[in-house]
Amino acid sequence: GAGVSQSPSNKVTEKGKDVELRCDPISGHTALYWYRQRLGQGLEFLIYFQGNSAPDKSGLPSDRFSAERTGESVSTLTIQRTQQEDSAVYLCASSLDRTSSYNEQFFGPGTRLTVL
Amino acid sequence: AQSVAQPEDQVNVAEGNPLTVKCTYSVSGNPYLFWYVQYPNRGLQFLLKYITGDNLVKGSYGFEAEFNKSQTSFHLKKPSALVSDSALYFCAVRAKGTALIFGKGTTLSVSS
Repeated sequence: GAGVSQSPSNKVTEKGKDVELRCDPISGHTALYWYRQRLGQGLEFLIYFQGNSAPDKSGLPSDRFSAERTGESVSTLTIQRTQQEDSAVYLCASSLDRTSSYNEQFFGPGTRLTVL
Repeated sequence: AQSVAQPEDQVNVAEGNPLTVKCTYSVSGNPYLFWYVQYPNRGLQFLLKYITGDNLVKGSYGFEAEFNKSQTSFHLKKPSALVSDSALYFCAVRAKGTALIFGKGTTLSVSS
């Protein structure tokens, strides 16, 4: 079946502009995660969604970052008034059930964001 | 606080030789441990996980990892490296009810 997909694959924007990144999780996966990967760094947790529960936003670096998810499907990550330090690869992952901590996460190919 | 350490930024090994990529962790409670691999311009792929039971876990592409509770380690191993194993490897840990914490990654380079 289809894996996690993300769009766009690349996004170049000017400082101060807003950007919206999209993630389509694997069908049937109730948990969805967003991570940020800066050049030469590990993955930085941003936010996760589990079914209809309130999302865990504890990893969002500032109030310029927000994310939404429609039911158990598509999610969008929005970055307002982008800054150069926002440049990174943004990765989305999904898993069967967030409440089972041992379910592995399946990752999308990422969106490479460059802020000029 | 939970954390994962991958002490080596890069590991170099000749094809056919055994390889080890190190990982140590710090977590309260029982850890759930994972290894992921990232090939250039591709997303992360799941390799294997330790939940409970046998300390030696076998995963994809001939990789295995050994959980050592006393040393809080979860090193990734393969008996015979392939050039195609060259990639970036991430160790990750979570405790029940928490987010997944990743190490900074180790670049594995296998020479022919």
